[in-house]
Amino acid sequence: SAVISQKPSRDICQRGTSLTIQCQVDSQVTMMFWYRQQPGQSLTLIATANQGSEATYESGFVIDKFPISRPNLTFSTLTVSNMSPEDSSIYLCSVGAGSQPQHFGDGTRLSIL
Amino acid sequence: QKEVEQDPGPLSVPEGAIVSLNCTYSNSAFQYFMWYRQYSRKGPELLMYTYSSGNKEDGRFTAQVDKSSKYISLFIRDSQPSDSATYLCAMTLGYTGANSKLTFGKGITLSVRP
Repeated sequence: SAVISQKPSRDICQRGTSLTIQCQVDSQVTMMFWYRQQPGQSLTLIATANQGSEATYESGFVIDKFPISRPNLTFSTLTVSNMSPEDSSIYLCSVGAGSQPQHFGDGTRLSIL
Repeated sequence: QKEVEQDPGPLSVPEGAIVSLNCTYSNSAFQYFMWYRQYSRKGPELLMYTYSSGNKEDGRFTAQVDKSSKYISLFIRDSQPSDSATYLCAMTLGYTGANSKLTFGKGITLSVRP
């Protein structure tokens, strides 16, 4: 399976600031996904990022808050904008490859003060 | 009703016990069913996946899907302390396009006592 690297692994940020999370894959993949994992909650899909097209956002998530880039088949970024304490969460990148289930990176643990 | 319900836990068992982890779901269109294992400070690791109803075995792990009852299970035989982790069930309509969204249960934390 693909090796997925996320940066940063953790961060503590001030409210009102923005943070960009990077996801790098060691092979070309068609589909990349961004999820949020909040304490006591199900892992929830934020958006699907396909190379060459706009990201597709799930209900409850908007591009202004979570802009996503997908410049090529091995890389994507998720920005968490104008952060508030409610954005404290684990953000996970995953990749899908055709007929195989998704594989995940180790996530970015984000705390907002 | 949530789309996927998972026993809340936590669950603590002695080493060597048989563990049964369960999820129910409401969307009969789900076709692919997965179990992920997540260790502390790590991302979810794909443990097992099955298509439609039936059983799949891999070593000490057996995944079971009953689509008629909308019920999936993961059995762990001869549980080991290294099995201590959070287990997440997930399901999807398919692996391509809009069908590829994973819907997860909340996860159950398992602790295996030596």
